[in-house]
Amino acid sequence: EAQVTQNPRYLITVTGKKLTVTCSQNMNHEYMSWYRQDPGLGLRQIYYSMNVEVTDKGDVPEGYKVSRKEKRNFPLILESPSPNQTSLYFCASSLLGTSGRERNEQFFGPGTRLTVL
Amino acid sequence: EDKVVQSPLSLVVHEGDTVTLNCSYEVTNFRSLLWYKQEKKAPTFLFMLTSSGIEKKSGRLSSILDKKELFSILNITATQTGDSAVYLCAVVVQDTGTASKLTFGTGTRLQVTL
Repeated sequence: EAQVTQNPRYLITVTGKKLTVTCSQNMNHEYMSWYRQDPGLGLRQIYYSMNVEVTDKGDVPEGYKVSRKEKRNFPLILESPSPNQTSLYFCASSLLGTSGRERNEQFFGPGTRLTVL
Repeated sequence: EDKVVQSPLSLVVHEGDTVTLNCSYEVTNFRSLLWYKQEKKAPTFLFMLTSSGIEKKSGRLSSILDKKELFSILNITATQTGDSAVYLCAVVVQDTGTASKLTFGTGTRLQVTL
C-alpha cells in the first residue's frame, strides 16, 4: 500500500531532550516536506527536500533540523526541544516533474502529536 | 512574505445546501494551488489547479482558479454531513532554483447539519 509513515504518533518529552521523528514513504517520491499545524495558524512548512542530499528551509525552520540521506526517509530532528514546539507535525511527499514542479498531490503521513513540557 | 487567506473561517450549513469556500493569495513565483480536506487526521488531496479558468470537478466538488485576481474557489453542492471538515488551500511557489515551497491558509471549518 502506498503510504507515508511517521513515528512516533504521540510523544511527550521534556525541554532540552533531543528527539527525532521519522518519516518514510514507499512511493519513490522525490519531494518530501515537514509541516507543523497549530490552532489558528494552519499548516506551516518547516523544511522540505527536493531530492537526496537537497534540503531547504520552509517558513518556520528555527529549532529544527532535517536530513535526506535516502530517498525514502526524511527525519525531523529537534536538538533541544522547547515548549513552543508543542504541535501536531505532518510529513508529506510527492512526485516532481522534470521541470521541478510538483506532479500530483502531496501525500500526508498520519501526524505526530508532540508535547514538550 | 507569501500570504494565503481563506474565508470564511467557519460556517455551518444544512444538508443539501451549496457552499463556496474562498482562497486568495499574494505570492511571488506562483506555480500551483492545492485544495485539501482535513477531517480528524491528515489532509487528503482534493484538487491541484495551475491554469486560470479551467474548472476541476470531482463528484459534488469543483474548483476554479483566477490567476489574474489571485483567488480560487471551492464549491460543494448538495452538501452532506460527511462533508464536515476543515478545507485547506495551499499555494506552491518557486523558491530558489527549482525548489518549491508551500504556503497554507488557515483553513475554513465547514459543519453540515441535518
